[in-house]
Amino acid sequence: QKEVEQNSGPLSVPEGAIASLNCTYSDRGSQSFFWYRQYSGKSPELIMFIYSNGDKEDGRFTAQLNKASQYVSLLIRDSQPSDSATYLCAVKEEKLVFGQGTRLTINP
Amino acid sequence: DTAVSQTPKYLVTQMGNDKSIKCEQNLGHDTMYWYKQDSKKFLKIMFSYNNKELIINETVPNRFSPKSPDKAHLNLHINSLELGDSAVYFCASSQDIRVQSTDTQYFGPGTRLTVL
Repeated sequence: QKEVEQNSGPLSVPEGAIASLNCTYSDRGSQSFFWYRQYSGKSPELIMFIYSNGDKEDGRFTAQLNKASQYVSLLIRDSQPSDSATYLCAVKEEKLVFGQGTRLTINP
Repeated sequence: DTAVSQTPKYLVTQMGNDKSIKCEQNLGHDTMYWYKQDSKKFLKIMFSYNNKELIINETVPNRFSPKSPDKAHLNLHINSLELGDSAVYFCASSQDIRVQSTDTQYFGPGTRLTVL
């Protein structure tokens, strides 16, 4: 079983809609969860981190964490074409373990 | 100012050669990392150094040897390059991986290594 799993996509969402990205993890002891965005040919950049159950909002982005279900998600409201990228979920154990990423395409 | 820089950006070389990639961070961080991202975009940690001390050493062939001359630099030397080494290698840094659970990592621009 992979430690951090994401649907690799591609996920296609119309402009202005809500994009929902999901991630599950296997280590119940994980404490911190991160979402990184990676544009094609570029390096990963941090969007948000979350460590408490519930929702955390930052602008158009909302991270949701459910430790009982070992599930973390990222919602992008009012999706823009510039949000088209690969989104990497990462879970902090002793090290940062990344999922395989979900490729998101926002269609104008 | 570039926070985490890597050189070179592209590296094309023949099988069997030895090559090095350099990384520098000017963020004052204590921890630095090397990651490998394969053709399927899977990003996997290789090594981590905290203040020049090796703290994470994943299952990586011993042809890969990291060197940290000081806490702002972490270089990666690869001996006897193989076709399977072709990937993008990212350097990253963070404040201190051992202390903060929400320790944020900042990535360099990556080095695309192609082994022919």
